Amino acid sequence: SAVISQKPSRDICQRGTSLTIQCQVDSQVTMMFWYRQQPGQSLTLIATANQGSEATYESGFVIDKFPISRPNLTFSTLTVSNMSPEDSSIYLCSGGQGSNEQFFGPGTRLTVL
Amino acid sequence: DAKTTQPPSMDCAEGRAANLPCNHSTISGNEYVYWYRQIHSQGPQYIIHGLKNNETNEMASLIITEDRKSSTLILPHATLRDTAVYYCIVRVEGNQFYFGTGTSLTVIP
Repeated sequence: SAVISQKPSRDICQRGTSLTIQCQVDSQVTMMFWYRQQPGQSLTLIATANQGSEATYESGFVIDKFPISRPNLTFSTLTVSNMSPEDSSIYLCSGGQGSNEQFFGPGTRLTVL
Repeated sequence: DAKTTQPPSMDCAEGRAANLPCNHSTISGNEYVYWYRQIHSQGPQYIIHGLKNNETNEMASLIITEDRKSSTLILPHATLRDTAVYYCIVRVEGNQFYFGTGTSLTVIP
């Protein structure tokens, strides 16, 4: 299994600013993903973080708003850019080895004022 | 988009088996069924997964119908700590998970 940590665990941000969320895995994983969970809702996949290349975004999510980096097999970042109150959500990362189970981080709770 | 449908909520008496159904009628031949649960908005916790055969581990059993169009997660002896939202997910070819709305399970003392 893999243990995934995220930083920060929570933050309160002002409208128009940006926040970068870090995701660290304690072992190398081939796959990493970012999700958003709006209040009272299920998880929505934002993108697949590809090591050494541009992330693959799901419909409704764009790189300018949610730039993602993945410099190696254990680390990824998600930036929420030019934030508005509608971006208030929990952001989660996950990682896994190919077709095996994915392990999820604890999430980053973001509030935008 | 999610390929699964689940009842929005269920109750189960403590100590009894909890049987959580899931429909995935459009599942493809090489797509796995995964179950996760989420407690108090923590990160989802892996429970079990399977392709065709029934599976059992220390947490639960997974029963997949022969046509693979539906499955049931069984928690054999539910406890209060099993109260959570349970997600049934079909893992697609690129290994992405598309979450449905899940089933909110309440275990009643």
